[in-house]
Amino acid sequence: ETTLTQSPAFMSATPGDKVNISCKASQDIDDDMNWYQQKPGEAAILIIQEASTLVPGIPPRFSGSGYGTDFTLTINNIESEDAAYYFCLQHDNFPYTFGQGTKLEIK
Amino acid sequence: QVQLQQWGAGLLKPSETLSLTCAVYGGSFSGYYWSWIRQPPGKGLEWIGEINRSGSTNYHPSLKGRVTISVDTSKNQLSLKLNSVTAADTAVYYCRVAGGVLDYWGQGTLVTVSS
Repeated sequence: ETTLTQSPAFMSATPGDKVNISCKASQDIDDDMNWYQQKPGEAAILIIQEASTLVPGIPPRFSGSGYGTDFTLTINNIESEDAAYYFCLQHDNFPYTFGQGTKLEIK
Repeated sequence: QVQLQQWGAGLLKPSETLSLTCAVYGGSFSGYYWSWIRQPPGKGLEWIGEINRSGSTNYHPSLKGRVTISVDTSKNQLSLKLNSVTAADTAVYYCRVAGGVLDYWGQGTLVTVSS
């Protein structure tokens, strides 16, 4: 089973900041990594697929990078609406696994 | 606008069977992957299993033998059955349908197992 180590678990940012969220896989998963955003009471939405592909309709301030075992979700010029829970998912091998999630607070 | 609507019993006793249904509205997803995911209180997400377009299933090894996922593509409905539940199965359960750039989740159903 592939373990995903996501960090940080919590972060606080100010509008206009740039933030990075990391997800490290315990084994090579190529680019089979998705990133999601979830707000309280709402369904999760896919924001980045295949490690670096921005999903249509998602603002370009979101970007993803990485391959193999190290992946990063970057949010540039953060806005207040970006306050949410973010998590990664690897779909390279069964059982699919998730990072522990990052709660992003906007001051 | 695609929406996933989930329903099922929210309170179970130990040894009972958890049964959830997820209906997808706003599109046809017969060619996609359908899955269930759960999140115990205060813990991370756990993938339960999926069923693909050909009807083949994959389950989390820790749940094999207790879990059944099925889909009725004519109704756009996904089902989850988990037998012999214990308190460890208490969680918010999510359904998901995905394929290509499309990836939709339900809002989640809290299932509590308590005597």
